[in-house]
Amino acid sequence: GAVVSQHPSWVICKSGTSVKIECRSLDFQATTMFWYRQFPKQSLMLMATSNEGSKATYEQGVEKDKFLINHASLTLSTLTVTSAHPEDSSFYICSARVQNDRFTSPGANVLTFGAGSRLTVL
Amino acid sequence: AQSVTQLDSQVPVFEEAPVELRCNYSSSVSVYLFWYVQYPNQGLQLLLKYLSGSTLVKGINGFEAEFNKSQTSFHLRKPSVHISDTAEYFCAVSDSKTSYDKVIFGPGTSLSVIP
Repeated sequence: GAVVSQHPSWVICKSGTSVKIECRSLDFQATTMFWYRQFPKQSLMLMATSNEGSKATYEQGVEKDKFLINHASLTLSTLTVTSAHPEDSSFYICSARVQNDRFTSPGANVLTFGAGSRLTVL
Repeated sequence: AQSVTQLDSQVPVFEEAPVELRCNYSSSVSVYLFWYVQYPNQGLQLLLKYLSGSTLVKGINGFEAEFNKSQTSFHLRKPSVHISDTAEYFCAVSDSKTSYDKVIFGPGTSLSVIP
């Protein structure tokens, strides 16, 4: 089945540094990937939609310059948390849609998730 | 705009007992519905989905859900739970009629199976 690999699974960094998280679709091509942020005991909050070869679409309230997204190929999207601060500490999860050939609407496509990356900013 | 409600934030249940996790949605268009499970410190895994056809959907690990359009519900059930079912469960909805490519997640229900 479709697999999404996310790396690193956990990272600790000092305040003011930048951290890059990678999301790879291993056995399928993903023109669109999604980045979520999840606080403890809470649901997933969509941060942005990553589009291959074009700019990401950010959700309202998400700082574009803070969370840089690059989707340079059909199998790789990266999220860079720039000048990280302790309030950026969170669980970040990426996902990609697996195309459903029977349905034309993208809403029918199942999301395949990476295992998540836990960021701790000291 | 679409939204998803999961009325129960926490559900404790004894091992081998049945469980139902409730999900209600609101939408002005037809929707696709999903249930995902999240184990601690992991990403989400698809349990089951409703796209069309039979309103009773069977998924992995013995779970099933029933789509009720009149009640705008998609409750998840399992007749006999195991300790390994302890996890966070998310109901999700996406638009079936447009090219709008976004999934809305509910707040989640934490299922705790008690030995």
